[in-house]
Formats: sequence, C-alpha cells, structure tokens
Amino acid sequence: DTAVSQTPKYLVTQMGNDKSIKCEQNLGHDTMYWYKQDSKKFLKIMFSYNNKELIINETVPNRFSPKSPDKAHLNLHINSLELGDSAVYFCASSHRTGRTEAFFGQGTRLTVV
Amino acid sequence: AQSVTQLGSHVSVSEGALVLLRCNYSSSVPPYLFWYVQYPNQGLQLLLKYTSAATLVKGINGFEAEFKKSETSFHLTKPSAHMSDAAEYFCAVSHSGSARQLTFGSGTQLTVLP
Repeated sequence: DTAVSQTPKYLVTQMGNDKSIKCEQNLGHDTMYWYKQDSKKFLKIMFSYNNKELIINETVPNRFSPKSPDKAHLNLHINSLELGDSAVYFCASSHRTGRTEAFFGQGTRLTVV
Repeated sequence: AQSVTQLGSHVSVSEGALVLLRCNYSSSVPPYLFWYVQYPNQGLQLLLKYTSAATLVKGINGFEAEFKKSETSFHLTKPSAHMSDAAEYFCAVSHSGSARQLTFGSGTQLTVLP
C-alpha cells in the first residue's frame, strides 16, 4: 500500500498545454502539500491544504491551481504550460501539528518542450 | 520566519568513513527539525526528526543527529558509510506556530567512494 501516491510519474507535454497531476494519501492526514523541486534539487512549497481549505499559497503563478475534493486528495492543475515549469513536483501529507513529519509521494517529473 | 542552511552541496567520503552532513537553522521559535534522504528518481524519505525531546536523535540506517541550540545546528552523522548511503540529503525545519509547512535546505549530495 502506497501511503502517498501521485500520478503520473512522468509527464512530457508541449508549451501552452494544460495538464493535471493527481495525488492521494491513505494515511488519514488532514494536511496536504505541493512542493516543486527545481533542476538544482531545491525544494519549495507551493500550496498547503488543511481539511480541504487552502492555508498556504506561496508566490506561484495563477496558472497553477490546486484542488482538494476531499481530505485524501489534492490535485494540481497547470494551465498554459511554460518551459520554466519543467521540474519535479512532489505531493506530501502530514498531521496538523508541525512536529510531525511529512510523507512524500514519488514525484512527477514534468518536462515542457 | 524560518530557514535552513546546509553547508556543502557535495560531500564525498570513502566507504567505512565517518559521514558528517551539516545543517544550521534559523527560527524565531523553538524548531522541529528533520533530515530526509532522496535516492535518485524517488521521493523523500524521513531519516530522523527532533521534536523537543532528546537532543540526540537516532534514525534509520544508522544515522543520528544532535540538536545544539547554542550553535543552532542539527548535523547528521553516521559512523561508517556504506555505498548504499549515496543520495541527496535534506535538512528541514518547521515549528508548532507555522502553517504546518516544512522549509528545506538546499540539499547535500553524498558520494561514497569504494
């Protein structure tokens, strides 16, 4: 049983397209995140949801829109993809308190050509 | 505000040698600190965490880290490196007052030489 699963693992698409990445967790956590890892391996938080409510929205282009249909799911939709969006996107989940660790998915490697 | 600095983006050690990966944090409130490992083409896996209990924390795969408040450090060590330890290591910080987010350091790539 995969704790945090995201699909697809690889995504190659052309500039200007719209794409979605799906994430599901079966850990019973109430908080989910999207992180972006750039080519230098730097990890930066994009969004955080708690009980389906957006609580963190870092400086991310509004072409990126997270959607949380329920506590176990947090999807990421990206409109009008640009070359600079190429990165690895990680979904993660945790319990509410800051002292607990986040569990990460395997990542989605997005390549925009 | 919170931040993490990892000194040394690349560290090389010989198999069997001591591993020392450095992490310094900045936080206006007592921090919670984490070390994660990332193997190629995989997600992040928790190695260990400090959450205000014992200052010396033991984790998986023989790793441990010591929280030193006076030095604002949380360095990761392992007495004897194995080839399988080669990976990217990330230090991260959060705290009880945060919006439940982890702030990561820039990562350290560990190479283990035969």
